[in-house]
Amino acid sequence: SQQGEEDPQALSIQEGENATMNCSYKTSINNLQWYRQNSGRGLVHLILIRSNEREKHSGRLRVTLDTSKKSSSLLITASRAADTASYFCATASFSGVQGAQKLVFGQGTRLTINP
Amino acid sequence: GAGVSQTPSNKVTEKGKYVELRCDPISGHTALYWYRQSLGQGPEFLIYFQGTGAADDSGLPNDRFFAVRPEGSVSTLKIQRTERGDSAVYLCASSLGGQGRETQYFGPGTRLLVL
Repeated sequence: SQQGEEDPQALSIQEGENATMNCSYKTSINNLQWYRQNSGRGLVHLILIRSNEREKHSGRLRVTLDTSKKSSSLLITASRAADTASYFCATASFSGVQGAQKLVFGQGTRLTINP
Repeated sequence: GAGVSQTPSNKVTEKGKYVELRCDPISGHTALYWYRQSLGQGPEFLIYFQGTGAADDSGLPNDRFFAVRPEGSVSTLKIQRTERGDSAVYLCASSLGGQGRETQYFGPGTRLLVL
């Protein structure tokens, strides 16, 4: 079963605009990670935010985390055509089994940047 | 350095056959994960290894699925008596493991098609 739910499922914007994607989850987490996927193959790690952090930046990416609302957002500023991809949030919780930390993914947001 | 590699890239098999999927993690990464991704969905956790042992196999769908990591490096996911519903992209990821070293790095995946 998948914990995260991304919103919107699809987003199409003009190059140069900002793109915001949201993720909600259901259980307590240790951290939340955002990944990008092109063409349905390997995932590229973008950013990790821990449960005791509220905001994190990496280049044109800004991630927020609200543990009281069990939600996170990913903002991509000044979007480029190369940002076209699917974006997934994934929550991580230690399972207590040798510190296992499996990721539970949402269904993703399909982002299209129009030139 | 080299990332996570997976072989084969694509595998087509017939219903009822046995298949093996291989994952070479990043050198020095003690944690290794297998995920399965169906079309239009986010990846779903299958199994996690810490070293040679399977620390969490709660995501394996049934006893037709089995994975090994005999020397704590390369892992093989084995599927017996394949069914059409097993068709998906099988993703492998590795991480250094432990608190503060949770980022998982994904391979390009193996696309399995069961006819």
